[in-house]
Amino acid sequence: GAVVSQHPSWVICKSGTSVKIECRSLDFQATTMFWYRQFPKQSLMLMATSNEGSKATYEQGVEKDKFLINHASLTLSTLTVTSAHPEDSSFYICSAPPGTSGRHLWEQYFGPGTRLTVT
Amino acid sequence: AQTVTQSQPEMSVQEAETVTLSCTYDTSESNYYLFWYKQPPSRQMILVIRQEAYKQQNATENRFSVNFQKAAKSFSLKISDSQLGDTAMYFCALRKAGNMLTFGGGTRLMVKP
Repeated sequence: GAVVSQHPSWVICKSGTSVKIECRSLDFQATTMFWYRQFPKQSLMLMATSNEGSKATYEQGVEKDKFLINHASLTLSTLTVTSAHPEDSSFYICSAPPGTSGRHLWEQYFGPGTRLTVT
Repeated sequence: AQTVTQSQPEMSVQEAETVTLSCTYDTSESNYYLFWYKQPPSRQMILVIRQEAYKQQNATENRFSVNFQKAAKSFSLKISDSQLGDTAMYFCALRKAGNMLTFGGGTRLMVKP
């Protein structure tokens, strides 16, 4: 099956610094990728929809200037947490539907997630 | 707006027995998909089973089956012959046009030996 990777798998950064998380589709092209945030023992909350070649669409309440999303190619989307603070510590997960012919319309592949800890 | 509700934060079951996880949802869409995802301690999301809303027949995948009641907007997951490896968080999810998924709050399932 299709694979989505994330890098890094975990990161610790100091408050006030920025950190970039990469999401890659390894064997398919993803015109759309989704970014989710998951706090401990909670569900996944959609943060934004990343669209290749255009601006991301953010969910209500998500700060666009704080969570910068870039989807510059059909296989890579990045999420940059700018000026990170301890409250940004969370588990970030990306996902992508294959979106190409021959794939099932309902399919969506999840990355393994990135654990961010801001000290 | 669409919502997904899982009313059971935690459940436990003895190994080899059967357990049912509940899920209700609300959507104005006429065509949608429903899913159950498993998230083990590794945090990797794993698709357990899916159901197309236009299909009346309940989906089945080996030990996993669903009871889809469209009029009641209910989508429960039954796990038969529970195994220790079934211990995980289970999320019910609704997919609408645009591929966006809305997740329920999750049910933590513990399978006891």
